[in-house]
Amino acid sequence: SQKIEQNSEALNIQEGKTATLTCNYTNYSPAYLQWYRQDPGRGPVFLLLIRENEKEKRKERLKVTFDTTLKQSLFHITASQPADSATYLCALDRGNRLAFGKGNQVVVIP
Amino acid sequence: GAVVSQHPSRVICKSGTSVKIECRSLDFQATTMFWYRQFPKQSLMLMATSNEGSKATYEQGVEKDKFLINHASLTLSTLTVTSAHPEDSSFYICSARDQTSGSPYEQYFGPGTRLTVT
Repeated sequence: SQKIEQNSEALNIQEGKTATLTCNYTNYSPAYLQWYRQDPGRGPVFLLLIRENEKEKRKERLKVTFDTTLKQSLFHITASQPADSATYLCALDRGNRLAFGKGNQVVVIP
Repeated sequence: GAVVSQHPSRVICKSGTSVKIECRSLDFQATTMFWYRQFPKQSLMLMATSNEGSKATYEQGVEKDKFLINHASLTLSTLTVTSAHPEDSSFYICSARDQTSGSPYEQYFGPGTRLTVT
């Protein structure tokens, strides 16, 4: 069956450090993968998209890697700040639709 | 950036009644909108894809007669939960694609609607 797996345990990290989140998937062949941020009681906000032929993508303090052989994406937040505390979702394309993981909560400790 | 609104943000209704949720793209036209449902600590589950001027495409296991979707214009889609039951209580989120600019793959999400059925 198709699965998108993100760590269910919250990541607690000290301010200024790099947070790294993992998204693993099985039985998907996505042409692209996206990362979203979701705050409690709010809809997701788009952060980054990476295509299958791209190894790495950066946007300000965010970096995403995509390894289609390992079927894995890594999401990094460098120089983390308390305002980065949220749940981060990975999403895979299914044609014109998206399939989401459960998300991984990040808590940045001042 | 593209903005999607939802109304209402919260609604409480009695079991057996119907509730309508509106999703609007405020500054772009969306030929395709999506409706998701999210239970606590769970992922967003796609319920249906709403196409302007045509019938919605429902995901497997989603009752189309219970969750009525109308996409009457390029900026408005509505989801009506008919004969609501307590198990329909959830967070409903819509999203839309701005296919005229930027990435055609990026989805813009509304703020969500918290439905509680008593």
